[in-house]
Amino acid sequence: GESVGLHLPTLSVQEGDNSIINCAYSNSASDYFIWYKQESGKGPQFIIDIRSNMDKRQGQRVTVLLNKTVKHLSLQIAATQPGDSAVYFCAEIIAGYSTLTFGKGTMLLVSP
Amino acid sequence: DSGVTQTPKHLITATGQRVTLRCSPRSGDLSVYWYQQSLDQGLQFLIQYYNGEERAKGNILERFSAQQFPDLHSELNLSSLELGDSALYFCASSGAAWGNQPQHFGDGTRLSIL
Repeated sequence: GESVGLHLPTLSVQEGDNSIINCAYSNSASDYFIWYKQESGKGPQFIIDIRSNMDKRQGQRVTVLLNKTVKHLSLQIAATQPGDSAVYFCAEIIAGYSTLTFGKGTMLLVSP
Repeated sequence: DSGVTQTPKHLITATGQRVTLRCSPRSGDLSVYWYQQSLDQGLQFLIQYYNGEERAKGNILERFSAQQFPDLHSELNLSSLELGDSALYFCASSGAAWGNQPQHFGDGTRLSIL
């Protein structure tokens, strides 16, 4: 599996900026993708999902983009707030299966 | 609050011991998943149960076992514990047997082996 280790990629932004977190997924047979947010001491929290028959999905202040050609997923957070500071994970599920494969994670730090 | 409840929040024990972690899924969810999160391996899937039956198995050691009870709560049993078993153990639940619905996670049990 993917390794998180102690050295997560980190994205530092100012409050009010837009943030873009990227993820390269591993399996071209994956057909369902989820972004999770994990704060210190908490479990992963569902943010937004997207199926492989879509290339964009929007939620409240968040947008997920899916590029199946290059197996790339991104999470855009508009008007980032200090409360958005956390580790963000993308996860994929292969068609016909039920298990999540998580990416490495990206730490988002938002400065006031 | 995800609606998934895990107990205990923290567990400290010694090598060679056995522990049981408990999970109550969200109301109405039939699938329960167990994951392990460690610093060097990230989030790894262990096992899934759906409506009382084992559905999928991941990188779960033979020393580990799980079950899902008729009331849908689940327990993960870890035995002959080793130092390397120290990690966060998460339970997640979803309404589906297959992976086309989001899984919602509890806040985990932090297991420390001394």
